[in-house]
Amino acid sequence: DAKTTQPNSMESNEEEPVHLPCNHSTISGTDYIHWYRQLPSQGPEYVIHGLTSNVNNRMASLAIAEDRKSSTLILHRATLRDAAVYYCILRGFRNSGNTPLVFGKGTRLSVIA
Amino acid sequence: GAGVSQSPSNKVTEKGKDVELRCDPISGHTALYWYRQRLGQGLEFLIYFQGNSAPDKSGLPSDRFSAERTGESVSTLTIQRTQQEDSAVYLCASSLDLRGNYGYTFGSGTRLTVV
Repeated sequence: DAKTTQPNSMESNEEEPVHLPCNHSTISGTDYIHWYRQLPSQGPEYVIHGLTSNVNNRMASLAIAEDRKSSTLILHRATLRDAAVYYCILRGFRNSGNTPLVFGKGTRLSVIA
Repeated sequence: GAGVSQSPSNKVTEKGKDVELRCDPISGHTALYWYRQRLGQGLEFLIYFQGNSAPDKSGLPSDRFSAERTGESVSTLTIQRTQQEDSAVYLCASSLDLRGNYGYTFGSGTRLTVV
């Protein structure tokens, strides 16, 4: 799977929107963009994923650049509970022999009250 | 079940003993994954199952580690002759299948401490 680049850390004020960037310049046409987060002392939690179009769910929005070489996870209104490490991961669409999710270092998001 | 269940949640064992860690995936999820996370470190992939088969075991750290899955359901990760460096949180995840458009659901992990 292609590599992603994320900032090591970001900070946000509570109740403000947060935009977490991810660069993936070597993405292939069939790679899905996945986002997970890991809260302190918990296992990772699926947040959202997309292929080409922007995606929204109850947790977040995913904005994908037109050339797909970057994406942004948007938390519309940060809460203290959103403080976590956020991982951006590419996953190829293959029916067999697929490699599992490979977690990089992610972005550590701090939320200030 | 509603989520991925792992047991025990905590395990303290003496160096040299064998341990078994259990994972109950979400019903109907054919793919199952094991990861390890040492304190303050990132997630390290260990092994995955498609059905009851583990096509690639190269992520297992040593031959003291083994895993099996039966009935396309429960999986067990066994560590023989535990060492202190095996201390970590062992995380299990499952997904509907291996394809990239399906997300993973993780369990809460088993915290293993080898003393």
